[in-house]
Amino acid sequence: EAGVAQSPRYKIIEKRQSVAFWCNPISGHATLYWYQQILGQGPKLLIQFQNNGVVDDSQLPKDRFSAERLKGVDSTLKIQPAKLEDSAVYLCASSLVWGDTEAFFGQGTRLTVV
Amino acid sequence: GENVEQHPSTLSVQEGDSAVIKCTYSDSASNYFPWYKQELGKGPQLIIDIRSNVGEKKDQRIAVTLNKTAKHFSLHITETQPEDSAVYFCAALSNDYKLSFGAGTTVTVRA
Repeated sequence: EAGVAQSPRYKIIEKRQSVAFWCNPISGHATLYWYQQILGQGPKLLIQFQNNGVVDDSQLPKDRFSAERLKGVDSTLKIQPAKLEDSAVYLCASSLVWGDTEAFFGQGTRLTVV
Repeated sequence: GENVEQHPSTLSVQEGDSAVIKCTYSDSASNYFPWYKQELGKGPQLIIDIRSNVGEKKDQRIAVTLNKTAKHFSLHITETQPEDSAVYFCAALSNDYKLSFGAGTTVTVRA
């Protein structure tokens, strides 16, 4: 079974630039999550999709972050404009259903804003 | 929302000894408690989980205990091996299906 695919693996941008991350979840998984993991901290949920609908985006800084999951499969997370404090690893995860089932994580995209 | 606290932040053990990581949570309605292991450059991977109707669960050298009254749960690794060295995260799923993570414990197993 293929895992959660993310790209790019690394990205370095200057502040005020924009960046986009891509995620392909495990086939058949209805729920998709984007997490932000700042160095030395646990993952923090940014947004959660059930199929192509948003079920929670309460911790997404909507003035600069956006995410979409067209057709209920792949997803993209965008930051525009980026700030220095956005430097982190952005993890995508998916699970079969919404709720208390195992979430499978991708390797993440390490973003450095300079 | 749910608040998960995890201790210790770092743990160094001799190979063959046991390691224990403890977590507390704030939302009494939380009902699912997974533990994740994260190796350098990789995403977190589930190693064991426990639901609120169970007090203890064991899988080979790994065990998890849950005390719902006190709102804390623990991970126990016995007979530690060098490959157990990693960052471990506890998490709690609240009744609105949000998974909140602890800050992580860096475990180092000394050969």
